[in-house]
Amino acid sequence: DVKVTQSSRYLVKRTGEKVFLECVQDMDHENMFWYRQDPGLGLRLIYFSYDVKMKEKGDIPEGYSVSREKKERFSLILESASTNQTSMYLCASRPRRTGYEQYFGPGTRLTVT
Amino acid sequence: GEDVEQSLFLSVREGDSSVINCTYTDSSSTYLYWYKQEPGAGLQLLTYIFSNMDMKQDQRLTVLLNKKDKHLSLRIADTQTGDSAIYFCAETLIYNTDKLIFGTGTRLQVFP
Repeated sequence: DVKVTQSSRYLVKRTGEKVFLECVQDMDHENMFWYRQDPGLGLRLIYFSYDVKMKEKGDIPEGYSVSREKKERFSLILESASTNQTSMYLCASRPRRTGYEQYFGPGTRLTVT
Repeated sequence: GEDVEQSLFLSVREGDSSVINCTYTDSSSTYLYWYKQEPGAGLQLLTYIFSNMDMKQDQRLTVLLNKKDKHLSLRIADTQTGDSAIYFCAETLIYNTDKLIFGTGTRLQVFP
């Protein structure tokens, strides 16, 4: 079974703090993704990575950065958290070949106060 | 442009059929997916359909694709309380197969 894990289920941070969200997958997938999920907006892609040290901006990259130093790990970084970044963050991974589904982690609910 | 839309809520009685609808704007879809998100969990793939198919059936689930109208639906037969969740449709496009474009999600509530 594919397993995608995220470092925290719930996180509370203060405005201006630097926040790290970690995601690890155990299936040697090339592609990894970070989304945020907000009610009525669905899932929006923040960044994705198709290989180690490679990254592409998604639809809403502003205020975020990412790091992929190892194939199994993809980190999302909020350099200076703001209240409008309060959201559910979902990580996903999939093989590079087309037609394969994305496998999701359980999500991290981040609250910025 | 890329846009995938769903209605936000659906409420059905246990034992009835549920039909969740999705419309998309980009006709260059390759695969279309239905994901389910239970409370407090990530997304789980329910089923998918290749864009050259019209219908796919998998136990209680039936997916219908109308390419002319760019309309996708998911029918759940004999809906159970365990089917209560948020359902997302999503598509991948032929010119960018790395990316999934998600709909807004439909919250299905099943009452006894």
